[in-house]
Amino acid sequence: SQTIHQWPATLVQPVGSPLSLECTVEGTSNPNLYWYRQAAGRGLQLLFYSVGIGQISSEVPQNLSASRPQDRQFILSSKKLLLSDSGFYLCAWSLGDFGNTIYFGEGSWLTVV
Amino acid sequence: KNEVEQSPQNLTAQEGEFITINCSYSVGISALHWLQQHPGGGIVSLFMLSSGKKKHGRLIATINIQEKHSSLHITASHPRDSAVYICAVSLRSARQLTFGSGTQLTVLP
Repeated sequence: SQTIHQWPATLVQPVGSPLSLECTVEGTSNPNLYWYRQAAGRGLQLLFYSVGIGQISSEVPQNLSASRPQDRQFILSSKKLLLSDSGFYLCAWSLGDFGNTIYFGEGSWLTVV
Repeated sequence: KNEVEQSPQNLTAQEGEFITINCSYSVGISALHWLQQHPGGGIVSLFMLSSGKKKHGRLIATINIQEKHSSLHITASHPRDSAVYICAVSLRSARQLTFGSGTQLTVLP
């Protein structure tokens, strides 16, 4: 069966420090991968999506970047965190576009202090 | 105007009550998703619909493509159903989901 793992679950980082969130998917091949952010009290916002290794599309200009070094690995990074980067980050995958079921990771709570 | 509107924003019910959450959208879609977000933040996909009706346990989801409207029903509600329920649509024109603002459901014992 397919599973998705995301880590770390919680982290507190100082302003200006780097960030790396990792997401891996098991049990499927060539998934579409997504990074979402949910700011406090707000809805989900798509940050990045990837349809294949090395193929990243950015939906909003920001302080973050994403990479897909392997088929089932998706990494969200920042070189220097801002206070406004605080939020709940979710990785997700689907096969093909969103005409198929989407599966979410457990999420990562990021607090920038 | 949001492309996806959910109502109500907040809903409190007594255990055992029948619950309905509504979702309306304004554009052509390829599919509609109902998601459940627990207090810890994790999100689970409940249903994906492109037409008709689906049922899973006490949950029922319906969609009316002509009216651009979907409903999520919970029968015999239970406190463990307390969560945020999110409607999301996949637009025909875009490779991403557009989310509603969510409905915070609290079921009291």
